[in-house]
Parts: sequence; C-alpha cells; structure tokens
Amino acid sequence: QKEVEQDPGPLSVPEGAIVSLNCTYSNSAFQYFMWYRQYSRKGPELLMYTYSSGNKEDGRFTAQVDKSSKYISLFIRDSQPSDSATYLCAMSDMTGGSYIPTFGRGTSLIVHP
Amino acid sequence: EPEVTQTPSHQVTQMGQEVILRCVPISNHLYFYWYRQILGQKVEFLVSFYNNEISEKSEIFDDQFSVERPDGSNFTLKIRSTKLEDSAMYFCASAQRVENGYTFGSGTRLTVV
Repeated sequence: QKEVEQDPGPLSVPEGAIVSLNCTYSNSAFQYFMWYRQYSRKGPELLMYTYSSGNKEDGRFTAQVDKSSKYISLFIRDSQPSDSATYLCAMSDMTGGSYIPTFGRGTSLIVHP
Repeated sequence: EPEVTQTPSHQVTQMGQEVILRCVPISNHLYFYWYRQILGQKVEFLVSFYNNEISEKSEIFDDQFSVERPDGSNFTLKIRSTKLEDSAMYFCASAQRVENGYTFGSGTRLTVV
C-alpha cells in the first residue's frame, strides 16, 4: 500500500520565520519527490521536484530528501504572508515508467504579518 | 505563462445525471490527467491519458467514468450517472514530460444533490 503521511496543521508562523514542512512515507520504492503549493480554490502548483537524497534549493525554498529515513522536508526561509497556502508533498515509484504520484493530504500554512 | 483551463468552475447536478467536465491542456503537452479532491481529503489520481488512450487508471475510475480528447485540444471527463459521493473538486493536469511534474488547472467544483 502506497502511503504518504503529512500533518495537516494548520501551522501558524510570523512573517520572516523559517518554516519546516515534512512528510513520511512507507514505500521504499519511491524515488521521485515533489512539493506542490495549493492556494484556496485553486489547483496545486509544482514548487520543486527531486530524484535523489540530499538537498535542492530554489530561492527561499529548500527540499530535502532522506531516503534512509523515508522522510522529506520543505524549508521556506523568510516566510511571507503570500506563502500562506496548503503544501502538498507527492512521490512516485516510477514503476514501469509510471510517474503517477501519491499525494499527502497537505499541510496548511498561515504566515501572519 | 501557459495554463490549463477548466470549465465550468462550479457545476451543480442532480444525482443520476450525467456531467461532462472540460479541460484545455497546455498546447504542447502530451500527457493528460484527471484528479479529484474531496473536501478536506487528499488529491486522488483518477486517470492518465497519452497518445489518445488511457495509460493508467485508479480503482476510483470505474465504468461510470470516461475520458475523451475529441478534437486535439479539449480533454473531457464524463461521469455517466452521478452519485452524492462524486461531489468533489476535479482537477485536470497536463505535462510535457512526466518527470518534470504537472501543471494543474484551477478545478471544477462538482456538487451532486
């Protein structure tokens, strides 16, 4: 059973804080990891993706994957009120060329001024 | 920036009626998907479509669901006989290369009464 666990929150932080969002998973075959941001009444928007363990940075966002612990994180530096959204992790085992991801339920983030 | 367009944004239908949800994917994308998200729950995969045929489908995508790409630009999801539990946000997504993640539309909120 492919399962991805994600704390739904809400996570409330002051503007400028460093935010850490996390997911755990049970399927060791997952190789491809993504983070999506979803604003209210909108579709998910891809933020970052990575294939391997380690860190990947893009501006204020850093994605971290620890395959040995089956744990992934998204860090947001200098958080802004505009970062307030639901953050979804998603991952895929790419079995037979399939990239169909399994999504976590999302963490609601509130950044207050 | 190119976007995936979905219509209508909100549809209310009576139980047992047929509905067609419409999507216009990004023009140079080759892979097309439908997902749904019941309120407060995970984004769930329904079906993927490539080269004019279904490439994968989930257990949710039973005989009451069908997809079509009738004219090379539109991508539709038909639900033949709607049930109350079909009430959800339905997201269309497309990708040029699956390993680069998807672009989602803003969704159609389907309410079955």
